[in-house]
Amino acid sequence: GNSVTQMEGPVTLSEEAFLTINCTYTATGYPSLFWYVQYPGEGLQLLLKATKADDKGSNKGFEATYRKETTSFHLEKGSVQVSDSAVYFCALASRANSKLTFGKGITLSVRP
Amino acid sequence: EAGVAQSPRYKIIEKRQSVAFWCNPISGHATLYWYQQILGQGPKLLIQFQNNGVVDDSQLPKDRFSAERLKGVDSTLKIQPAKLEDSAVYLCASSFGTGSYNEQFFGPGTRLTVL
Repeated sequence: GNSVTQMEGPVTLSEEAFLTINCTYTATGYPSLFWYVQYPGEGLQLLLKATKADDKGSNKGFEATYRKETTSFHLEKGSVQVSDSAVYFCALASRANSKLTFGKGITLSVRP
Repeated sequence: EAGVAQSPRYKIIEKRQSVAFWCNPISGHATLYWYQQILGQGPKLLIQFQNNGVVDDSQLPKDRFSAERLKGVDSTLKIQPAKLEDSAVYLCASSFGTGSYNEQFFGPGTRLTVL
């Protein structure tokens, strides 16, 4: 079945540091890949997505590239801000069904 | 545009009691999902509706969980009787249709504590 593996957390960074959060997946066929974010006290929100190999999703300075050869979708940001402190979830969905399979999530804390 | 509404936001019950959660999706969204998010884990799909029909309930513990979406709009999720391991956040989400290109919009969730 489908599965998503995220790097272990939590992650604590200083403001303006570079961020990488690793995500790898197992799936049949060609899934769509997503990063969701959950800010403190808020619901899950879609951060970015990619629907086919080599696609790059981007939003709010975050980027992730769909790498089929390494089955990865790592999240990156060049300069994090305190407001980026949140829990980040990697997820996938198969083509035919929008059912999302999530990773465990990772907590990011950015200190001033 | 109004988002996905859920109530209650918090619920505390004793084991073996019953509980019900309510969800109102975004207007016009045909597909509705219920997820269970246990502390420290990612959300897990319990059931997916397309209008008022069930698309996927393979991970719903049917001996104690039930869900309905009678008129293809609002939905309720019930647990009867509750167990300690049901303590979690229950998330409702909706999307315009099925297929991975349809973005899912999530509600704020209901945090259930079973004592």
